[in-house]
Amino acid sequence: HVQLQESGPGLVKPSQTLSLTCTVSNGSISSGSYYWNWIRQPAGKGLEWIGRIYTSGSTDYNPSLKSRVTISIDTSKNQFSLKLTSVTAADTAMYYCSMYYYHSGRWWFDPWGQGTLVTVSS
Amino acid sequence: DIQVTQSPSSLSASVGDRVTITCQASHDITNYLIWYQQKPGKAPKLLIYDASDLETGVPSRFSGSGSGTEFTFTITSLQPEDVATYYCQQYDIVPWSFGQGTKLEIK
Repeated sequence: HVQLQESGPGLVKPSQTLSLTCTVSNGSISSGSYYWNWIRQPAGKGLEWIGRIYTSGSTDYNPSLKSRVTISIDTSKNQFSLKLTSVTAADTAMYYCSMYYYHSGRWWFDPWGQGTLVTVSS
Repeated sequence: DIQVTQSPSSLSASVGDRVTITCQASHDITNYLIWYQQKPGKAPKLLIYDASDLETGVPSRFSGSGSGTEFTFTITSLQPEDVATYYCQQYDIVPWSFGQGTKLEIK
């Protein structure tokens, strides 16, 4: 399995942009056909899929966030990133990154990163 | 978008009990359903993929069944370490969607 580690500011001011990075270890972000995902979870609440980026760079976003989200890949750093603009308190959550791929007739889901807590507050 | 309705939202059972959680998808997702276990302060852990296949290393007391729109997750003999919140998630169509979660406690 690859190992994933989220990082970024723990505190973001309202109306600003949330920027997080997921660093991939024990594997290359650009080799193979992988989907790299962001998922979030407000404290005490359920899980929300934010979006994904394919190894090729193509992306899919949750329509509920699409106007504010950008996911990108930096192959030189073996990282992928999340940017969420115009944040409000409703964006306060634990943010997780994950990876999955298709191989030998099935989908494989590697363990998620441990998550990083982002609080939106002035 | 596909909606996933999970029930119950909470459940209390005794050690050794059989526990069942259900998920209903708003559209046919064939067998593209995952079951996760989440313990406090931890990321969700994959238990079941493709609706009924047990992830490597997961105890055999966990199982899943179903296809189409109706799915069931079962713990055949509840253990103290199974206290957690369980989520289903469909991965047939983006945006992926999760059930609301079932918080499982020991009586």
